[in-house]
Amino acid sequence: SQTIHQWPATLVQPVGSPLSLECTVEGTSNPNLYWYRQAAGRGLQLLFYSVGIGQISSEVPQNLSASRPQDRQFILSSKKLLLSDSGFYLCAWSPIGAFGANVLTFGAGSRLTVL
Amino acid sequence: GENVEQHPSTLSVQEGDSAVIKCTYSDSASNYFPWYKQELGKGPQLIIDIRSNVGEKKDQRIAVTLNKTAKHFSLHITETQPEDSAVYFCAASKGSQGNLIFGKGTKLSVKP
Repeated sequence: SQTIHQWPATLVQPVGSPLSLECTVEGTSNPNLYWYRQAAGRGLQLLFYSVGIGQISSEVPQNLSASRPQDRQFILSSKKLLLSDSGFYLCAWSPIGAFGANVLTFGAGSRLTVL
Repeated sequence: GENVEQHPSTLSVQEGDSAVIKCTYSDSASNYFPWYKQELGKGPQLIIDIRSNVGEKKDQRIAVTLNKTAKHFSLHITETQPEDSAVYFCAASKGSQGNLIFGKGTKLSVKP
């Protein structure tokens, strides 16, 4: 069966510090991978998605970047965090094929607080 | 682009009552409509989905209805239980042509 791991679960970072959130998927090959952000009282905002190694699409211009160094690894990064980067970050995957129409499976999330 | 509106933002019901959450979408080309349940501090989990070629789908106490003409779909939970308390999200997509667009969520509270 497929599993998705996301870490760290929580972190508190000062403004201006770097960020690295990591996500890995097991039990499948060539998954579509996604990073979402969930701010308090708001819905799920798609930040990045990837259909293959090295292929990253950005939905919202911002202070963050994403990379996919391996087939089942997705990393969310920032060089200098802003207060507005605080939120709950969710990694997700869907099977290869009909992009967007397949079931999204989410990780447990990473709670980021920028002080 | 697609826009998904979800109502109500909060919903409180007594245990055993029914709960209904409604969503509207703007893009008539959308053809896939999932519902996710998010418990506190966890990632959302898919609970039911429907595609545009059907009007209703049921899974035990949960059902989803779709009205393509009016461009709205609803989640129905019958015989609610305290463990149904969570935030529920609807979403829509054009299948292979687009990403899932989520509503802003409904916080459901089921009082024992």
